[in-house]
Amino acid sequence: DARVTQTPRHKVTEMGQEVTMRCQPILGHNTVFWYRQTMMQGLELLAYFRNRAPLDDSGMPKDRFSAEMPDATLATLKIQPSEPRDSAVYFCASGDGTYNQPQHFGDGTRLSIL
Amino acid sequence: AQRVTQPEKLLSVFKGAPVELKCNYSYSGSPELFWYVQYSRQRLQLLLRHISRESIKGFTADLNKGETSFHLKKPFAQEEDSAMYYCALKNTDKLIFGTGTRLQVFP
Repeated sequence: DARVTQTPRHKVTEMGQEVTMRCQPILGHNTVFWYRQTMMQGLELLAYFRNRAPLDDSGMPKDRFSAEMPDATLATLKIQPSEPRDSAVYFCASGDGTYNQPQHFGDGTRLSIL
Repeated sequence: AQRVTQPEKLLSVFKGAPVELKCNYSYSGSPELFWYVQYSRQRLQLLLRHISRESIKGFTADLNKGETSFHLKKPFAQEEDSAMYYCALKNTDKLIFGTGTRLQVFP
């Protein structure tokens, strides 16, 4: 059963530190998405890629967040410098981009910034 | 504008009672609609997609284009159904999520 893999599952760090979250999409999927989930805002789309090209990062604070896909098997989301308000669960999802095919989600990274 | 509305934040029922989680959408064109479920502190999992017209874990959802709705139903709720349920509309590649409904099923 193919799955989206995210690392780390949990991260606790102090404000000001750099945080890097990684995602391995399902093999063959050409779209990758980063979401943030908080109690207050629910699920927010931060950025997404198709065929490794960034298509929409309008949901992402540009001054401190960056998202990349160095290759087809790895997507990264970085926060530098991190702030307490970045504490959330960050989900990666991937899809094959075809009609009516869903996105498949990873288990998420639970991030706490102290 | 494309939008998904889930009017209920919380729905509480007793085991064995029928459940209906509401979802309305706004979309110009032919919608692709999904229901996702998130159990406590876990990932979102696909529950249903409208085109499949399937029943998963006893849940069904029918697309009503006239009412622009895609409500999720189950005739007899189980305690293990307690979770967060998200309705989502696919717009090109992206999913537009509703705010979610928490279903609590009491014994």
